[in-house]
Parts: sequence; C-alpha cells; structure tokens
Amino acid sequence: AQSVAQPEDQVNVAEGNPLTVKCTYSVSGNPYLFWYVQYPNRGLQFLLKYITGDNLVKGSYGFEAEFNKSQTSFHLKKPSALVSDSALYFCAVRDRGAGNMLTFGGGTRLMVKP
Amino acid sequence: GAVVSQHPSRVICKSGTSVKIECRSLDFQATTMFWYRQFPKQSLMLMATSNEGSKATYEQGVEKDKFLINHASLTLSTLTVTSAHPEDSSFYICSARETRLSASTDTQYFGPGTRLTVL
Repeated sequence: AQSVAQPEDQVNVAEGNPLTVKCTYSVSGNPYLFWYVQYPNRGLQFLLKYITGDNLVKGSYGFEAEFNKSQTSFHLKKPSALVSDSALYFCAVRDRGAGNMLTFGGGTRLMVKP
Repeated sequence: GAVVSQHPSRVICKSGTSVKIECRSLDFQATTMFWYRQFPKQSLMLMATSNEGSKATYEQGVEKDKFLINHASLTLSTLTVTSAHPEDSSFYICSARETRLSASTDTQYFGPGTRLTVL
C-alpha cells in the first residue's frame, strides 16, 4: 500500500520569506512524486514531479522540491513567497509498480501574509 | 501544460434527479481518466478509474449503479450521478492522464471541478 503524509494542516509565512511545505511518503517500490496546488473552488494545478534523475526538481511559479530517498520526503520549497501563493497544496505519490493509482496527502493550506 | 475541462462548473438540482458531468481533455489524448470527490477542507477521494472503451474500475465503497461513468472517446469521460440525494452534494473533480510512450511517467492533469448541490 502507498500513503502520503502532510504533517502540517497550515503553514503561515510572511511575503518575501522562504517557504517549505512538508511531505513524506510510503511506497513498497520506487515512487513517482507530485505536487499540485488548488485555489478556492478550482481543480488541481500541476506544479512539479519527480520521476528519476536529479533530486532537486524545479516546477511552475518558482517552486521546487527535493526528493530525499533516505528520509522518504519530498518537501516543496520556494525561496521568496508571494501573497498570491496562498492556496491549498497537495503532495501525491504513485508506486511505479502500482498501476494507475495516485494517492494524495491531506493537503496543507499555505497562508502568505503581506 | 495539458488542459482538462469540466462542464458544468456548478449545478443545483432537486433530490431524485440525475446529473451528468462532462470531462474533456482539450489538447491531448487520455486513455485513462479519473473521477475524484472532495469534501470541504479535505483531500481528494478517488471514486473510479475510467479507461477508454472499457468499464470503469470503482473504488471500494463507491456505488457503480449510482455513479455511472462512461469513457466513450480518448478525450471525453462522463460521470452521471443518478437519483441524486443531498448527501451526494460535493465537489467532483476529474483528471486525465496524458498518454505517452512510457505510461508510468505520465502526469495527471485535473479539471476545474464541478460543485454539485442537491436540494
């Protein structure tokens, strides 16, 4: 079975400061890892993914994430937060041997204050 | 990135009626589409996986006779909520996976969601 944990329900950060949204995962094999963002009453927008190769993945809107196999983590980061980054962020994992199923974490609400 | 559309974006219906939600991949072909349900302040719950030209695979606890899924083409999947009741009120989100040579690396792209309110 595969699972994803986002330990923080909400992250508060001041505009201009760096932000981190945490994600840890559990899979039986090697993972494909994804980050999505959701704005109010909207579907999910794809931010970035880790498939293989460089552990640091760069994505949309200046976001990046680092795959850490030993810690089974895939934290989302951005060097300088914007108020417009305030949204709900979901981490997701798919086990390479598990077919279609994408498992989501519970989501973390990011609040960036001016 | 790839675009997925959903129609309608919002629907209000009376209890006992049926509602159809369409999901379209606009600029790519999707052999696999997914339907999710999201309750307020909660994560997405996978309802079913739909493969073009075959029957959908439903997750445990999801009534296949209540949530009818049809994936008639590589760009269209529909979810019909039959005999809707107030407890079916929710945010329904579809997702399509862009088919590439290596299926396991495909990214899922999500529609904007449909908010269903059953009175």
